[in-house]
Amino acid sequence: EVELVESGGGLVQPGRSLRLSCAASGFTFNDYAFHWVRQAPGKGLEWVSRIAWNGGSIAYADSVKGRFTMSRDNAKNSLYLEMNSLRSEDTALYYCARAAFGGYSYPLDSWGQGTLVTVSS
Amino acid sequence: EVVLTQSPGTLSFSPGERATLSCRASESVSNSYLGWYQQRPGQAPRLLIYGTSNRATGIPDRFSGSGSGTDFTLTISRLQPDDFAVYYCHQYGTAPYTFGQGTKVEIK
Repeated sequence: EVELVESGGGLVQPGRSLRLSCAASGFTFNDYAFHWVRQAPGKGLEWVSRIAWNGGSIAYADSVKGRFTMSRDNAKNSLYLEMNSLRSEDTALYYCARAAFGGYSYPLDSWGQGTLVTVSS
Repeated sequence: EVVLTQSPGTLSFSPGERATLSCRASESVSNSYLGWYQQRPGQAPRLLIYGTSNRATGIPDRFSGSGSGTDFTLTISRLQPDDFAVYYCHQYGTAPYTFGQGTKVEIK
């Protein structure tokens, strides 16, 4: 069974950093690209970033470019999102999601349950 | 950036009715790169439709998708109690990938 489990969320002050992780199991991790998608409380879905199967191609939303860094460790079946210079508008539930069929320009067929990031003083 | 607009924000139906949800793109989207997700309260999104009209694994055939260019539609033929949820369209062809703001399907 495909499983994605996010961790690392919490309460953090504006301007500080946080690192999210996503542990994958139940499939061949390095066959797939992945995305991070976030959802502010009571709001819709916002795409954050994506990474190719080998980490060779990474893209970001303009709202996080230069502050967030997505990476992966295929040996550990894990994804990461390093978030720096956090702002109140980054407060959201952060989901990791698998892109179907391997490539990154594919729909997101499996999602974790999310980890909540709250940026507040 | 491709902006996806879903309107209206909320639709009200009785169980058993047919629901038609709209998603309009600010520029043409290839049929291969348009999908729909369902999100129930407290749950992660679930892929329903990909490539405009293909049902994802395990999705019942009362869900169907159609459209082309800038206008896409999700149809739920006979609403079941579990179908009352929020639905998002998504374009995944070109970064930045974008979602519509969602349409909530509520019980009348």
